[in-house]
Amino acid sequence: ETGVTQTPRHLVMGMTNKKSLKCEQHLGHNAMYWYKQSAKKPLELMFVYNFKEQTENNSVPSRFSPECPNSSHLFLHLHTLQPEDSALYLCASSQALAGASETQYFGPGTRLLVL
Amino acid sequence: EDKVVQSPLSLVVHEGDTVTLNCSYEVTNFRSLLWYKQEKKAPTFLFMLTSSGIEKKSGRLSSILDKKELFSILNITATQTGDSAVYLCAVEGFSGTYKYIFGTGTRLKVLA
Repeated sequence: ETGVTQTPRHLVMGMTNKKSLKCEQHLGHNAMYWYKQSAKKPLELMFVYNFKEQTENNSVPSRFSPECPNSSHLFLHLHTLQPEDSALYLCASSQALAGASETQYFGPGTRLLVL
Repeated sequence: EDKVVQSPLSLVVHEGDTVTLNCSYEVTNFRSLLWYKQEKKAPTFLFMLTSSGIEKKSGRLSSILDKKELFSILNITATQTGDSAVYLCAVEGFSGTYKYIFGTGTRLKVLA
């Protein structure tokens, strides 16, 4: 495995379901990010973790709950989502936190559809 | 409010044409500007620019930053169908915390 991997690649869930998205990076990076990409909108930064500690939460609804057990793994737990949460969820990592002009490397994304 | 604006929103050209994509920004405490190519899902990194007037090149792609006028351009010469993608511009800034702000992207379609 190389780079940043995400599972599952596609997910369909009902509004009452609980599911989790997983991201794993094999680059030895210390910072990891969750982004949401909706159709015809810019990428939206959701959460930032640096050395397993959450450093940013961009006013994301509580139905999205991140977890970072170590620097290589990042989860996004989903609970009682709404149809408007349907989007592509991208994970990224960088060697250091944004601010050191670090390049972010993206995973392939999880395409989520909420019915 | 920090923002990144890309133009045009979409572009259709024929193979062999040269295209110029634009990215203008207003960001507090600018740190760097990045260009990404997004084909199907994950954006792939193209360039990172931090200094004005220094062109970065990679094959047929090149980019330059103007920190005085707050914009960057991405040039693609001799376009190929494989260049068809969404090109994203992101700017790294600081307003309380460090963050990346993305533009909506320019969708490029290259016809054979």
